[in-house]
Amino acid sequence: AQSVSQHNHHVILSEAASLELGCNYSYGGTVNLFWYVQYPGQHLQLLLKYFSGDPLVKGIKGFEAEFIKSKFSFNLRKPSVQWSDTAEYFCAAMIYNQGGKLIFGQGTELSVKP
Amino acid sequence: DAGVIQSPRHEVTEMGQEVTLRCKPISGHNSLFWYRQTMMRGLELLIYFNNNVPIDDSGMPEDRFSAKMPNASFSTLKIQPSEPRDSAVYFCASSPPGLAGTNEQFFGPGTRLTVL
Repeated sequence: AQSVSQHNHHVILSEAASLELGCNYSYGGTVNLFWYVQYPGQHLQLLLKYFSGDPLVKGIKGFEAEFIKSKFSFNLRKPSVQWSDTAEYFCAAMIYNQGGKLIFGQGTELSVKP
Repeated sequence: DAGVIQSPRHEVTEMGQEVTLRCKPISGHNSLFWYRQTMMRGLELLIYFNNNVPIDDSGMPEDRFSAKMPNASFSTLKIQPSEPRDSAVYFCASSPPGLAGTNEQFFGPGTRLTVL
């Protein structure tokens, strides 16, 4: 069965530290990949997405992610985090031609200390 | 654009009562998704519709859950009878028409359900 795994359940960083959140998916065919962010008490918002083309994808708020097909990975990065980045981050995969169904990872809670 | 609208935002009910959650997708979107979010299970897809037709309801936990989409601008998720383990945040999301499996989903603010 298709699945998405996020390696870290909770990450704690100080402001200005660099961030990398791991995401792996299990599916051998074409997938579209997403990172969503959920700020405390709010709904999910799209950070970035990968459909095809350049495997390095840039999103909002200085986030980027790299798709590495050989590793089935789509890790999220940010060179310097801010306190306002405190949120939960979800990686998701959409299997091509399965009607837009999203499979979410378990989520990673990021806490940034000021 | 108002985005995806969900109501109510908070619902507190007693075990055994019927609960109805409502969703209005973004105008022009033709796919609608219902998700449940809990601490234990994370985000789970319950059911999704395409052009008002249910496509995959394999995530619906049991017969107590039902969902309808009578038209392109309205969907309901009903739980009858409700149980304490149904307590969760229920999100609705919609996506625009396009090549299947390529479109971003836009999420609503969620309904926080508490069943006592």
